[in-house]
Order: sequence, then structure tokens, then C-alpha cells
Amino acid sequence: DSGVTQTPKHLITATGQRVTLRCSPRSGDLSVYWYQQSLDQGLQFLIQYYNGEERAKGNILERFSAQQFPDLHSELNLSSLELGDSALYFCASSTSPGQGTDTQYFGPGTRLTVL
Amino acid sequence: AQSVAQPEDQVNVAEGNPLTVKCTYSVSGNPYLFWYVQYPNRGLQFLLKYITGDNLVKGSYGFEAEFNKSQTSFHLKKPSALVSDSALYFCAVRDMRIKAAGNKLTFGGGTRVLVKP
Repeated sequence: DSGVTQTPKHLITATGQRVTLRCSPRSGDLSVYWYQQSLDQGLQFLIQYYNGEERAKGNILERFSAQQFPDLHSELNLSSLELGDSALYFCASSTSPGQGTDTQYFGPGTRLTVL
Repeated sequence: AQSVAQPEDQVNVAEGNPLTVKCTYSVSGNPYLFWYVQYPNRGLQFLLKYITGDNLVKGSYGFEAEFNKSQTSFHLKKPSALVSDSALYFCAVRDMRIKAAGNKLTFGGGTRVLVKP
């Protein structure tokens, strides 16, 4: 168990809908990352937050947004969902904002299915 | 831009035999390199990382990896594979020069390891 928690484990929804994925980092970690794992794109970095502030952005669609709250949990909001958004969404956490030496610990993921 | 290649989609090995999972990388500066393992219906578990220093890195569950700068490789190895090592393995890299990218990790496509009894 990495100490990173994600809810829900599974999410099934329809095209055009909006969903929210939640992540709680390991105790003491200030950075939260979101990654998307799909069959065609592999594991892709979406976005990083550090202590409530956006730190880095990857291949995140404009329909997607995220935020990190004062208690350090993070939410990833996916809107106007398309079939291609079906994927496994991982949250990871680490201690530092931008020092590449620290390890990112991953949660169990949320499997999103868009029908 | 940083990139990672895992040239083998799948590696088959008999239990008790050595296991090697290949990884090559491309970065503009010095790399930080990581290996993760993903078991079915589970998240990614950290195995080991190379930051600097000794080219042979030891990690969890008996795994180790060898950093080779001239060949830009970071192959994962285990001297004697177990059936329970069957999983999906990911190599990842971060370019220490790209500070604007925060701590972004770039992952390879993954290698499925199947250890047969």
C-alpha cells in the first residue's frame, strides 16, 4: 500500500457527462500528480500541483481541470466526456515541487468507462 | 524532449532463470531513472531509481538495474525470477535540466513479464 488513496475505483458514465476523481496524497507529501493510462497513449502525465499551486502541465485537454485543496487532497474534473476518455487515471504524490530525485508514489487508480 | 523506449512488449522466462527487462532513454541533460511495476488491477509500485553514483542500483523484491550512460540504457534485472514477478513493468525518466516541467515523469510503453513455472 503506497499510502495514496483514490476514489472511486470504478466510474461508468455516458458521453457528454462530467465526473470528478478524487485523490488523497501520502501523509507529508505536498505534490500531487495526475496521469492517464490508456491502451493507445500509454502512461501520460497530465498535471502537477504543489501545495495548492499548479506546478507543471502535460498533455491535459482543455475539457479537463484539476485543483489541490488546502488539506492537500486533489480533484481531477473531466467534462464533456468522450469515448476516448475511457482510461485508468492515476494519482501520485511526492514530497517536493520540482526536484527530480524524489520518488512518486502511485495510488490504485480510478478506471473510467465512458459509454 | 525526454523519451523512454522499452523495446520488448513481452518477456517470457522460466521460473528460476534470470530476468532482464530492457529500457533506453533520451534526455538533453543527465537523467533521473525509475522502474515501476504494475500488477493486475493495482497501481504502479516503485521498484528502484537511479539518481547519481553507483551504476548498479538495488531495489525492492530482489530487483536491480544497471545504468549505462554510453548506451543510454537502464535495464532491470533479477537473478532468479519468480512466478509472482509476472506483471507489467515500466521504465520512466526525468530530465534534471528541465525545471519548468516540475517533476514530470515520462514513461516507456511497458513490458509484460510472464514467468512460467
